[in-house]
Amino acid sequence: KQEVTQIPAALSVPEGENLVLNCSFTDSAIYNLQWFRQDPGKGLTSLLLIQSSQREQTSGRLNASLDKSSGRSTLYIAASQPGDSATYLCAVVSVQAGTALIFGKGTTLSVSS
Amino acid sequence: DAGVIQSPRHEVTEMGQEVTLRCKPISGHDYLFWYRQTMMRGLELLIYFNNNVPIDDSGMPEDRFSAKMPNASFSTLKIQPSEPRDSAVYFCASRSGPTVNTGELFFGEGSRLTVL
Repeated sequence: KQEVTQIPAALSVPEGENLVLNCSFTDSAIYNLQWFRQDPGKGLTSLLLIQSSQREQTSGRLNASLDKSSGRSTLYIAASQPGDSATYLCAVVSVQAGTALIFGKGTTLSVSS
Repeated sequence: DAGVIQSPRHEVTEMGQEVTLRCKPISGHDYLFWYRQTMMRGLELLIYFNNNVPIDDSGMPEDRFSAKMPNASFSTLKIQPSEPRDSAVYFCASRSGPTVNTGELFFGEGSRLTVL
């Protein structure tokens, strides 16, 4: 059964710092991996989608990498800002599980000014 | 596009009452998912539909839960009777893409359910 783990559960950094959020999954047979952002009391907003054949995706200050063989992904945030404070979740579509995304529990990021 | 629309945003009810949550997916999306989010268990898939047909309902916790999708633009999740342990945020999400497993998933704002 596919399991997705995100470490750390919470992270606090000062504004301007570059940071990395980690995601690991137990079964490397995946179709894709997606990173989301969730603000308190809100839904999930898709940030980046990486197909299994890709190594990374970039959007603005965000860069997500995928190492499928080792079951790992990282989300790199450059020059963090207070507006980046949110919970970040990663999710995979597992070959075994089929179409639905399987989520980690997220990393809650706090960026102080 | 208005995105995935869910209603109600908040629902407070008493144990034993029937609860109906509603979802309108993004037009043209052929997959619809219902998720439940709690602090303890995170996001859990309850059920998903493809072209209005339920494909996998193995995540539905009990027979008290049921879901329907009568047409491409509307889905409901019903809990009858509700219990305090059903308190959670329920999310609806929809997706389309070149193939079944490669599309980006879009979420609604969620329905926060509190059962007293």
